[in-house]
Amino acid sequence: EIVLTQSPGTLSLSPGERATLSCRASQSISGTYLAWYQHKPGQAPRLLIYGASTRATGIPDRFSGSGSGTDFTLTISRLEAEDFAVYHCQQYGTSLTFGGGTKVEIK
Amino acid sequence: QVQLRESGPGLVKPSETLSLTCTVSGDSMNDYYWGWIRQPPGKGLEWIGYIYYSGGTNYNPSLNSRVTISVDTSKSQFSLKLRSVAAADTALYYCARLPRYNWNPIGYFDYWGPGTLVTVSS
Repeated sequence: EIVLTQSPGTLSLSPGERATLSCRASQSISGTYLAWYQHKPGQAPRLLIYGASTRATGIPDRFSGSGSGTDFTLTISRLEAEDFAVYHCQQYGTSLTFGGGTKVEIK
Repeated sequence: QVQLRESGPGLVKPSETLSLTCTVSGDSMNDYYWGWIRQPPGKGLEWIGYIYYSGGTNYNPSLNSRVTISVDTSKSQFSLKLRSVAAADTALYYCARLPRYNWNPIGYFDYWGPGTLVTVSS
């Protein structure tokens, strides 16, 4: 099973700042089959990025994904109030597994 | 826009069967895969399994012996049964849609329900 480790566990930032979230895989993910989700309490998770770097429909361009192999990054260029949430990465190259999540909180 | 919503008992006794239903609205179930994911308290997300609208299934090997997912497209619903539950099965359970390419699921989830909490306790 491919284990995904997300870091940091919590990111404390102010609106307008840049957020950089990491997702590291225990082995190389084939085909850049990695997705990112935004999750707010009591709400349905929202797909942000698939294929490591393709934004899902309706996702603002302040969200960007990059990486390949074992190291992937989600960047939020300028945090807005609605971006404070938990972010999960998921690989779908070999079965399906998720990371433990990174919480982006208001500093 | 497609919407999903989970329903079912919020409390299940140990050793019994957990049964949940996901109702899909806003789009046809045809041509998509439909899956279940859970999140135990304080832990990460775990994929449970998925089903094609025509009935083919794929389950997480760690749960394979206890899981059955079925679909009823006439009701726009698909269901999860998890047998012989224990406290470790206490979690928020989500249903979600997987897009496909040719006849295969792509593997990520593009629409999710809001989740339903299931507690396993006597």
